Amino acid sequence: AQSVAQPEDQVNVAEGNPLTVKCTYSVSGNPYLFWYVQYPNRGLQFLLKYITGDNLVKGSYGFEAEFNKSQTSFHLKKPSALVSDSALYFCAVRDLGDDKIIFGKGTRLHILP
Amino acid sequence: DGGITQSPKYLFRKEGQNVTLSCEQNLNHDAMYWYRQDPGQGLRLIYYSQIVNDFQKGDIAEGYSVSREKKESFPLTVTSAQKNPTAFYLCASSMDRNYGYTFGSGTRLTVV
Repeated sequence: AQSVAQPEDQVNVAEGNPLTVKCTYSVSGNPYLFWYVQYPNRGLQFLLKYITGDNLVKGSYGFEAEFNKSQTSFHLKKPSALVSDSALYFCAVRDLGDDKIIFGKGTRLHILP
Repeated sequence: DGGITQSPKYLFRKEGQNVTLSCEQNLNHDAMYWYRQDPGQGLRLIYYSQIVNDFQKGDIAEGYSVSREKKESFPLTVTSAQKNPTAFYLCASSMDRNYGYTFGSGTRLTVV
C-alpha cells in the first residue's frame, strides 16, 4: 500500500534563510508526487508535481522539490523564505494506476520576521 | 473562471440531523473526491467518484453518503450516524491520473 510521511509537525525558519520541508514516500510502482499549501480556512493549493523527468521540479512562488528515488524522498525547498510562506504544507503521492492520492499529515511552516 | 465551489462555507448541525454539503465543478473533470480534515490528522478520504453514477468508499465512509447524478456535482450528506462530524470538509476534482487535484475552499461543519 502506498503511504507518505512528513516527519516534522512544524518547521521554523528565519525570513531570508533557506527552507526545507521533508517528505518520504512508499509505493509499489513509480510514484506521482505532489506538494500542496493550505492557508487558514482555505482549500489546498497546488505547488508542484513530479511525474517523470528531471529530479528537480520547480513550482509556484519560488518553491522547488527534489525527487530522490534511492531515498524515496521528495523534499520541498526554497532558497529564501518569506513571512508570507507561513502556512500548512502537504506532501502527497499517487501510485501508478491508482485512482486516488494519499496525503501526508502536513507540516506547519513558520517564517519568523 | 473554472473551479470548484463548495457551499456553504460554514454549517451548523444539531445532534441527530442530516446535512448536505454541496460541491460543484465546471472544470469538466471526471473524478471527484471528498476529504475530511481534522487538526494533526491530515486529509482522510471519505468517498470518491471516477464517473457519473458510480462512487467508491474511502477510508472513513461510515456515517456519510454521496451521489453522482451529474458530472459537475458531488454532494456529501453527513448523516446522524456520524458520531463526530465536526470537521473541515474538502472537495476536490481531477482530470485524470497524471494530474493532481483541484480543491474547493472547504466547508466547516460544527455540531451544536
